[in-house]
Amino acid sequence: EVQLVESGGGLVQPGGSLRLSCAASGFTFSDHYMDWVRQAPGKGLEWVGRTRNKANSYTTEYAASVKGRFTVSRDDSKNSLYLQMNSLKTEDTAVYYCARITPGTGIDYWGQGTLVTVSS
Amino acid sequence: DIQMTQSPSSLSASVGDRVTITCRASQGIRNHLGWFQQKPGKAPMRLIYAASSLQSGVPSRFSGSGSGTEFTLTISSLQPEDFATYYCLQYNSYPLTFGGGTKVEIK
Repeated sequence: EVQLVESGGGLVQPGGSLRLSCAASGFTFSDHYMDWVRQAPGKGLEWVGRTRNKANSYTTEYAASVKGRFTVSRDDSKNSLYLQMNSLKTEDTAVYYCARITPGTGIDYWGQGTLVTVSS
Repeated sequence: DIQMTQSPSSLSASVGDRVTITCRASQGIRNHLGWFQQKPGKAPMRLIYAASSLQSGVPSRFSGSGSGTEFTLTISSLQPEDFATYYCLQYNSYPLTFGGGTKVEIK
């Protein structure tokens, strides 16, 4: 069974930093691209960023709203995905989901999410 | 960026009704579209991928169609567990973009 479990959310002040983690199990993590998607309270879904797999040099893509502030990374030896968030803004307040990608079919599985609140 | 315009933003329907939700892409995305269901406080769940392929384990009352710029999600006979918010997602090009969502409520 595919499982994705996020952690690391919490309350942080504007301008601060936070690192989210996503622990994967039930599939060969190293084979898959992985995404982060967020959802502000009461709002819709927003794609944040992606890391490709080793075969594709672990390259990354980002939404314009987070580019230069957020970094997606992974550690295949630990079956883990990360989101380093710097220079946080109040508008970054959201539930952050990690998601698995299957080639040609897009996002298929999601974690349960972790809440990040940026407030003074 | 590709804009995904989803309609309606909300609808009221009764159990047993046929429901259709539409997503329009601002440019062609081939069949690189998925549909997701989200219930309050829960993560989204994929229903449809590649515009018309049913995710394993999803009831056959859900179906998707379309290609290029026009896509539809149809629920053939609405069940009580289907009251939720539905989102489309294009994965043809970066950045990936979601539709604004359709909240399906009980009439």
